Amino acid sequence: AQTVTQSQPEMSVQEAETVTLSCTYDTSESDYYLFWYKQPPSRQMILVIRQEAYKQQNATENRFSVNFQKAAKSFSLKISDSQLGDAAMYFCAYRSAKWGDSGGSNYKLTFGKGTLLTVNP
Amino acid sequence: KAGVTQTPRYLIKTRGQQVTLSCSPISGHRSVSWYQQTPGQGLQFLFEYFSETQRNKGNFPGRFSGRQFSNSRSEMNVSTLELGDSALYLCASSRGGADTGELFFGEGSRLTVL
Repeated sequence: AQTVTQSQPEMSVQEAETVTLSCTYDTSESDYYLFWYKQPPSRQMILVIRQEAYKQQNATENRFSVNFQKAAKSFSLKISDSQLGDAAMYFCAYRSAKWGDSGGSNYKLTFGKGTLLTVNP
Repeated sequence: KAGVTQTPRYLIKTRGQQVTLSCSPISGHRSVSWYQQTPGQGLQFLFEYFSETQRNKGNFPGRFSGRQFSNSRSEMNVSTLELGDSALYLCASSRGGADTGELFFGEGSRLTVL
């Protein structure tokens, strides 16, 4: 079974500064997807960024980028020019690329416990 | 385009009762997944439905069940409620194909069991 570990329960950053959230995972599979989701207080979870394991190039979405180290099974999220609206719980998630046995699907995300990010003005 | 809608948003039940939660996916999405979120266990996968069929199931007892209707709306049911079932239940919808398939989450149904 896959596991996802976020070792930082809480992080804080000054507005306009850069912060990096850590995530490690354990899997025996070679093909999979990794995601960072953001859950603002009392609001729905939204996808921040995704990475396909077969792609060596790190994904980037505006101020958000990842450092994907496949051999080390590490997937960190860097937020540049932090804004007050970035304050939220951030979850790292894993999804197998292997379609399930017996007609099952791979629509199952394994989440880390989350990192609560505070942005100070 | 309307997002994922979950009802009810909040509910309080007592031990032994049962509860039904509803999820309306984004129009055109045929896959609906359910997750339980608690402070202790975090986010845990319950099950996923596609075209009225359960395609994947997490490690939850049989008290947790679900179904999907022909219009892709989904319900999940928890019978014989226990205190530990208190949680935020999240529904997510997706097109459902064999790709990275972004999941779109609803705001959740917060269940409190007394």
